[in-house]
Amino acid sequence: DSGVTQTPKHLITATGQRVTLRCSPRSEDLSVYWYQQSLDQGLQFLIHYYNGEERAKGNILERFSAQQFPDLHSELNLSSLELGDSALYFCASSVEGVNTGELFFGEGSRLTVL
Amino acid sequence: GQQLNQSPQSMFIQEGEDVSMNCTSSSIFNTWLWYKQDPGEGPVLLIALYKAGELTSNGRLTAQFGITRKDSFLNISASIPSDVGIYFCAGHSSNTGKLIFGQGTTLQVKP
Repeated sequence: DSGVTQTPKHLITATGQRVTLRCSPRSEDLSVYWYQQSLDQGLQFLIHYYNGEERAKGNILERFSAQQFPDLHSELNLSSLELGDSALYFCASSVEGVNTGELFFGEGSRLTVL
Repeated sequence: GQQLNQSPQSMFIQEGEDVSMNCTSSSIFNTWLWYKQDPGEGPVLLIALYKAGELTSNGRLTAQFGITRKDSFLNISASIPSDVGIYFCAGHSSNTGKLIFGQGTTLQVKP
């Protein structure tokens, strides 16, 4: 158990819909990262938040947005869903003393868009 | 953008054999890391390398940070069935703050 909690574990929805994925980082971690994992794309970096502020952005679509709240939990919002958005979405957290890439991953939220 | 080329894509080996996989990049990284992902779970950090030329071991795992800072390899000695999974290399850049992953090496071990 990494200490990172993601909900829901599974989600099935239809094209055009909007979903929200939630992440609670480890209790001592200030940084939250979101990754998308699809079969043919590996782990794609989406976005990184540190203590409520956006730190780095990856290949995140404009239809996607994220935020980190004062209690440090984070949400990833996916809107106008398309079939190609079906993937595993991982949240990871880290202590931000020195940013070295050592991340603790949750178990992921599996999104299926029909 | 930054990309990591990880090879081989998959390996099917006999229990007890040694395994080697590597990762190359066109970009320089400050840290190279190796993660393992078991089915249905998130990746777990195996080894982190912080200096060019660094060689680090963790049990049966050995990894090296290439001298050019653009590559890394991971060796697994005397493989066992629980080594099965997907191994990812990852490069971290302190300039961008991004952690970029390779495409993964799927390892299967035959008892």
